[in-house]
Amino acid sequence: ETGVTQTPRHLVMGMTNKKSLKCEQHLGHNAMYWYKQSAKKPLELMFVYNFKEQTENNSVPSRFSPECPNSSHLFLHLHTLQPEDSALYLCASSQGLGDRGFFGPGTRLTVL
Amino acid sequence: QKEVEQNSGPLSVPEGAIASLNCTYSDRGSQSFFWYRQYSGKSPELIMFIYSNGDKEDGRFTAQLNKASQYVSLLIRDSQPSDSATYLCAVNPGGGNKLTFGTGTQLKVEL
Repeated sequence: ETGVTQTPRHLVMGMTNKKSLKCEQHLGHNAMYWYKQSAKKPLELMFVYNFKEQTENNSVPSRFSPECPNSSHLFLHLHTLQPEDSALYLCASSQGLGDRGFFGPGTRLTVL
Repeated sequence: QKEVEQNSGPLSVPEGAIASLNCTYSDRGSQSFFWYRQYSGKSPELIMFIYSNGDKEDGRFTAQLNKASQYVSLLIRDSQPSDSATYLCAVNPGGGNKLTFGTGTQLKVEL
C-alpha cells in the first residue's frame, strides 16, 4: 500500500461511453500525475499537476480530460475513446515536481 | 536517441547470483535517478533512488551512478525468485518537473 488509491481497478467501456477514473493520495504530496502504460512501451506521462494547477499536458488527445480539485484528488474523465486507448492508467504523486513518485495500483481500461 | 534506454531482456540469473541491470540516459543535466520494480499486472514500486555519483546501498540492492558516462545501474545481490519482475529506470531531466521512464528490463531469477 503506497498511500495512493485508484478506482475503479478495472473498467470496460464502449467507444460512446463517458466514464471517470479517480485517484486519491494520502501522503500530503503536492504533485500528482497521470501515466498511461501500454504493452511493450515505456510509461507515458499524460498530465502533471502541482498544487492543483496543471503544469504539463503531454499532447494528450482531448478525449482525455483531467481534473484536480485539490492536491489530494485527481480525476481523468474519458469520452469517445478508441480501442487503442486500452491500457493501464496509473496515477502517481510526489512531494514536489519531479521527486520520487509513488504509484497507485492503476486502472486496467478496456475500450470495446 | 531515446531519453532513457534499457535492455528489455529477459535477463536470466540463477538464484543466489548477482543481477546487474543497466540504464543510460541522454540528458547530461539530469539530477535524480530512480529504480522501480514492477511485477506482472501490478503498478511500479519505488525501490531505490540516487542523486550523487557513486554507490548507494540498501539491503540487497545497490544503485550506482556515473554522471560522466551517463549511466545508472542496479545490482541485486543474492537474487531470489521473488526478485523476478520488470525493473524500470526513471530519470528527472535537468530542471524537469517529471520523470522519464525507460522501457524496463525483465529479470528472471531461476531456481
